[in-house]
Amino acid sequence: GAGVSQSPRYKVAKRGQDVALRCDPISGHVSLFWYQQALGQGPEFLTYFQNEAQLDKSGLPSDRFFAERPEGSVSTLKIQRTQQEDSAVYLCASSSYTGTPSADTQYFGPGTRLTVL
Amino acid sequence: AQTVTQSQPEMSVQEAETVTLSCTYDTSESDYYLFWYKQPPSRQMILVIRQEAYKQQNATENRFSVNFQKAAKSFSLKISDSQLGDAAMYFCAYRSLYNYGQNFVFGPGTRLSVLP
Repeated sequence: GAGVSQSPRYKVAKRGQDVALRCDPISGHVSLFWYQQALGQGPEFLTYFQNEAQLDKSGLPSDRFFAERPEGSVSTLKIQRTQQEDSAVYLCASSSYTGTPSADTQYFGPGTRLTVL
Repeated sequence: AQTVTQSQPEMSVQEAETVTLSCTYDTSESDYYLFWYKQPPSRQMILVIRQEAYKQQNATENRFSVNFQKAAKSFSLKISDSQLGDAAMYFCAYRSLYNYGQNFVFGPGTRLSVLP
């Protein structure tokens, strides 16, 4: 597609449920990022993939959070046993790796708003 | 670790006027990138402008320009001839040149209102 897409756009979960959030990056983009954005705050880094390899997961807040990108394209962020503090917008971004990481422009998806009751 | 501060939670500007959004950051690195992103209510983050720290010349993109003061670690965004479509949250972001994880550090944002 023309841009990064994410699904679902909205997700309501009961505390303790597992959720899976999907990201479809721009076709051909090597790099994929997940961010968590709390209400009224800036996005915070969760994890980074280069193709199918998860090169940095230092931002994942707990072992209940798990991300994968098995074929180097679509990625899924899974949250197990959701808690109320997990309520946030989850943003996905992709970029084409040019060899100079910091020069790559990240293109963001519209996000998934997760509400945990 | 780097930090980004935006001291103006909210700003407003009259249509066609000019507004400046402030951003300061803290880093011990000498080379890095700075960004301004716009996030309208649709939540899609859109890149507004980018500045390489090794470049002394301030970046410009049409009505958007920055005032980059490296010694002061300041990176303000000026929007000229403000339009109603400029209303959004604006985030300043820092990106390390050497960060293998390639993550951004975002500021808390400034909500800009444009008054007709």
